[in-house]
Formats: sequence, structure tokens, C-alpha cells
Amino acid sequence: NAGVMQNPRHLVRRRGQEARLRCSPVKGHSHVYWYRQLPEEGLKFMVYLQKENIIDESGMPKERFSAEFPKEGPSILRIQQVVRGDSAAYFCASSPDRGVANYGYTFGSGTRLTVV
Amino acid sequence: QKEVEQNSGPLSVPEGAIASLNCTYSDRGSQSFFWYRQYSGKSPELIRSIYSNGDKEDRRFTAQLNKASQYVSLLIRDSQPSDSATYLCAPETGANNLFFGTGTRLTVIP
Repeated sequence: NAGVMQNPRHLVRRRGQEARLRCSPVKGHSHVYWYRQLPEEGLKFMVYLQKENIIDESGMPKERFSAEFPKEGPSILRIQQVVRGDSAAYFCASSPDRGVANYGYTFGSGTRLTVV
Repeated sequence: QKEVEQNSGPLSVPEGAIASLNCTYSDRGSQSFFWYRQYSGKSPELIRSIYSNGDKEDRRFTAQLNKASQYVSLLIRDSQPSDSATYLCAPETGANNLFFGTGTRLTVIP
């Protein structure tokens, strides 16, 4: 029973390029969450998605960032025209339909984005 | 505005001692509380959950909850060097997601 799979593990982009981060949740989980963690800082909520729907994007920057979780395939976090300040670890987590309150999240290993 | 406060540390304890990690939260609606451990450069790992007032003990880790005081704690008994990590407190928000504190860095000294 595979856990949350994120890829790539490490991603290097030049300023102005696009970054695409992928997340496949635990099999059977339909709730996906994306968090960003800057070095030596805490986890910052970005977006919560359920299949084909964005439930809460209150933590997502208004420009350049978007997320989707299609009916088929992984969830994608897309960052357009990356800047150095986007360099961070991006974690994806998933939870089952029975709810976060009962089970919490399972995290993936993260994608470390470096913008040069 | 939801808030979760944790002492950032570092908290240093000698091997074999009890480490006490504390967390206060602002949202009185939170019903479930989770503690995650994060090793440097790694992803958070769920180590303990608690839903009702009192203590919940499992092996060396005990979670404690006091809803009236909006206070959650994690006690680690017989601390080991392998327990050295950052511990994140995360109340459930009522909107099917978790709100994370900034974490307490624990160092266990051999």
C-alpha cells in the first residue's frame, strides 16, 4: 500500500521558468493538501483539493500559483514564472473520506524546488 | 484568525530524561489534535493524536489535552538521541484540514 508519492524529489528551475509538482495520494484518499516550507520555518497551508474541486485556496498566492486534482491522475501544483523566493520544500498530504479529524494527514516526501 | 503557538526552542534534554513539548491554540472549535515529528530535511510523520481531555499514552509518547485551557502537550519519556527532531502541533480546524504550529526543535544529548 504505497503512501503519498511526490515527484520530482528535487527540481531546479531558472527564474522565469515554470515548475510543475506532482502528487499521487494514498490509494483511496480523495482529499489532497499542499503546504510550503521555507528553510528553518513552519509549514504554510496553500490549498486543499478534492477530486475535480478546489475546496480552500486561502493560502495560495494570488498570482503565478495554481493547483488542480483531476478525476484521473495526480494532483498538480503549478508555479509560473518562478522567482528565487519560491525556493522551498513543497509537501503534499492526503486524507481519506472519513475525515481529517479522525485520521490526520499522510505526507509525501516533498519536492525541493530551487530557483537559480 | 487561527493561531497555534509553540516554543520554537531549541529544547535540550539529556538522554533518558522526559521531554515536555507544549502547544496552545486559539480555535475553540478544534476537536482533534495531532503531533507530527519532522526530522531535518524530511517530511512530517504523524506520531500521536488526541481527541478528548486527559492523557493518551502509547509506549514512550503521551499526548495530553486540556480543552478548557486550549492546551495540548506531548511528553516523551526515556528520551533517545533518535528523538531529536522538530515536533509540530496541529489542531484540526473544523474545515477538514490541519493548522500547524511552527514547531519545537528538540535535541536529546547523549
